[in-house]
Amino acid sequence: SAVISQKPSRDICQRGTSLTIQCQVDSQVTMMFWYRQQPGQSLTLIATANQGSEATYESGFVIDKFPISRPNLTFSTLTVSNMSPEDSSIYLCSAGQGLGYEQYFGPGTRLTVT
Amino acid sequence: KQEVTQIPAALSVPEGENLVLNCSFTDSAIYNLQWFRQDPGKGLTSLLLIQSSQREQTSGRLNASLDKSSGRSTLYIAASQPGDSATYLCAVGGGSGYSTLTFGKGTMLLVSP
Repeated sequence: SAVISQKPSRDICQRGTSLTIQCQVDSQVTMMFWYRQQPGQSLTLIATANQGSEATYESGFVIDKFPISRPNLTFSTLTVSNMSPEDSSIYLCSAGQGLGYEQYFGPGTRLTVT
Repeated sequence: KQEVTQIPAALSVPEGENLVLNCSFTDSAIYNLQWFRQDPGKGLTSLLLIQSSQREQTSGRLNASLDKSSGRSTLYIAASQPGDSATYLCAVGGGSGYSTLTFGKGTMLLVSP
C-alpha cells in the first residue's frame, strides 16, 4: 500500500490568486493523479501527472488553469490559477502502480475561494 | 463513455442490520473495480479491489461481488455498526478507451445506534 500526504489540508483564498497543493507519497509509484470533488458531487479526474513530462489533462481541464508538476516518482504539485468561487472544492491526489493495481488517495485539500 | 451509477443514494439503518449497496456500470471492458469509503470532509479509504477476472473479495465484515458481463457490483456489509456511517464510492477502472477510474456519486450510509 501507499500512504499519501497533502499540503495544505485546507485554505481560504481570494479571487484572482493562485494556490499550489503538494502531494507526497511514501514510496515510489508509477502513476499519480489529481481529482476534484465539488460540493455534494463525486470525484472528477483533472489530470494524470507524468514524471518528467507534461501532464495529461481530461476534457474540460487545461494546463493554464491547472498546471501540474511531477519531478520524481514520489511527489507532485497541482496549482489552481486565477481562482474564482467556482474553484471551491476538495482537491485529491491519488497514486498507484498502474492499470489494474489498487489506487490510493490522499486526505484532500479543501479550498474555499472568496 | 463509462458511466457508473450507485443505488441507493442514501440509506439509513439501525445498528446490526446487514445491508447491500449497489453499483452498475455501462462499459463492461473494465480491468478492475474498487470500493472506497469517504468520511465527511476527508479523503478516500480503499476498502476492496476486485480484478476483472475475479467474482468477489472479502475483508472482515465487507464482501464485494462483481458480475462484469452484466455491469454490476454489490458491496455487502454484515452486522452494521455506527462507525460504518460514511459515503461509499464505487469506482470502475477502465472501459473502452479509458485507463483511469470512473466514480459513481456514492451511497451515503447512516447507521444509528
